[in-house]
Amino acid sequence: ETGVTQTPRHLVMGMTNKKSLKCEQHLGHNAMYWYKQSAKKPLELMFVYNFKEQTENNSVPSRFSPECPNSSHLFLHLHTLQPEDSALYLCASSQDRGLVLNTQYFGPGTRLTVL
Amino acid sequence: GIQVEQSPPDLILQEGANSTLRCNFSDSVNNLQWFHQNPWGQLINLFYIPSGTKQNGRLSATTVATERYSLLYISSSQTTDSGVYFCAVGLNSGGSNYKLTFGKGTLLTVNP
Repeated sequence: ETGVTQTPRHLVMGMTNKKSLKCEQHLGHNAMYWYKQSAKKPLELMFVYNFKEQTENNSVPSRFSPECPNSSHLFLHLHTLQPEDSALYLCASSQDRGLVLNTQYFGPGTRLTVL
Repeated sequence: GIQVEQSPPDLILQEGANSTLRCNFSDSVNNLQWFHQNPWGQLINLFYIPSGTKQNGRLSATTVATERYSLLYISSSQTTDSGVYFCAVGLNSGGSNYKLTFGKGTLLTVNP
């Protein structure tokens, strides 16, 4: 248990569906992250939020829409996805976004399959 | 951007054996972390080690920042050590000073 939870753990959706992934951290951290992990590829950073403000959008397609209502919750809204978007989506949090002493803690991930 | 290379890509061990995993990186860093991802996808932070040596039970890590590499040692391996080990580094430079770059990982299988 890392203090970061994600729901759902598994999701199957069609290309025309709209769904949302949820992440919650119980660590009192101020920075939250979305990563994508595809088969045989390194983790790719998608978005970073620091104190609820988006500070990084790593050229992510607009069919992925993040939302951070407060420092403890992070959502990833999905719509009109493509089969190549199938992957493990990981949420992480850290004390803040600065690198020094900035250990990131990960949730268990959502395994997404797009049909 | 910074490059992170991990070796070996795959490693198979018998229970009780020792192993060394390596992470090379292409630039000076001020953040280096080792993670273990279990077969169910959960990433667990093992070490925050931008330099020096740390030990935690059967695991230890050493980073030689001046030579741009880090080593993760696993002693007396157990089947529960199986999974993927990732090295991730961060470079305090410009506007992306919070961005961790991950290597491709080492897939470790420990057989009973």
